[in-house]
Amino acid sequence: AQSVTQPDIHITVSEGASLELRCNYSYGATPYLFWYVQSPGQGLQLLLKYFSGDTLVQGIKGFEAEFKRSQSSFNLRKPSVHWSDAAEYFCAVGSGGSYIPTFGRGTSLIVHP
Amino acid sequence: NAGVTQTPKFRVLKTGQSMTLLCAQDMNHEYMYWYRQDPGMGLRLIHYSVGEGTTAKGEVPDGYNVSRLKKQNFLLGLESAAPSQTSVYFCASRVTNTGELFFGEGSRLTVL
Repeated sequence: AQSVTQPDIHITVSEGASLELRCNYSYGATPYLFWYVQSPGQGLQLLLKYFSGDTLVQGIKGFEAEFKRSQSSFNLRKPSVHWSDAAEYFCAVGSGGSYIPTFGRGTSLIVHP
Repeated sequence: NAGVTQTPKFRVLKTGQSMTLLCAQDMNHEYMYWYRQDPGMGLRLIHYSVGEGTTAKGEVPDGYNVSRLKKQNFLLGLESAAPSQTSVYFCASRVTNTGELFFGEGSRLTVL
């Protein structure tokens, strides 16, 4: 069965600092990997996705993520965090072969001025 | 350009009342999902559908029913609401081959 682990429940960073949110997955086949962001009171929005090819993918709002097959990881990064990045971030795995996308429990990002 | 639309966005119920949440998508997606989100619990799948006329149970189906009579609509029903069903409910539809999800803005339900 597929699973997704986000080890950090909360992450606190200062505005302007770099950010890395961790995501580890367990999946039998080549996974499709996603990061979603949820701002307070809003629905989830896709940040970026990895299907195949270049293992470093670029997303919206200056985010990027790197797929590392050997570590079963898909960590999300941003070089300089803005106060508006404060939100809940969800990593997810799924593919055409599975009807049920699996989500991690989320990481809450707090940004200090 | 609507994507996924959920109605209503807010609702307060008394214990034992019934209600239906409507999810509509205009992207011709086959797969649709209903999740609930509670603090510290992430997203939990209630029911899902892989096409018109089909439904299946997810992780937390008890107390809910669903129907997918039309491809674009996925209804979530509560027959007898309980305080434990106080939550934020999200509907999503999915691109078939890639698994990418498109979410609605959520429906906040409070059961007193």
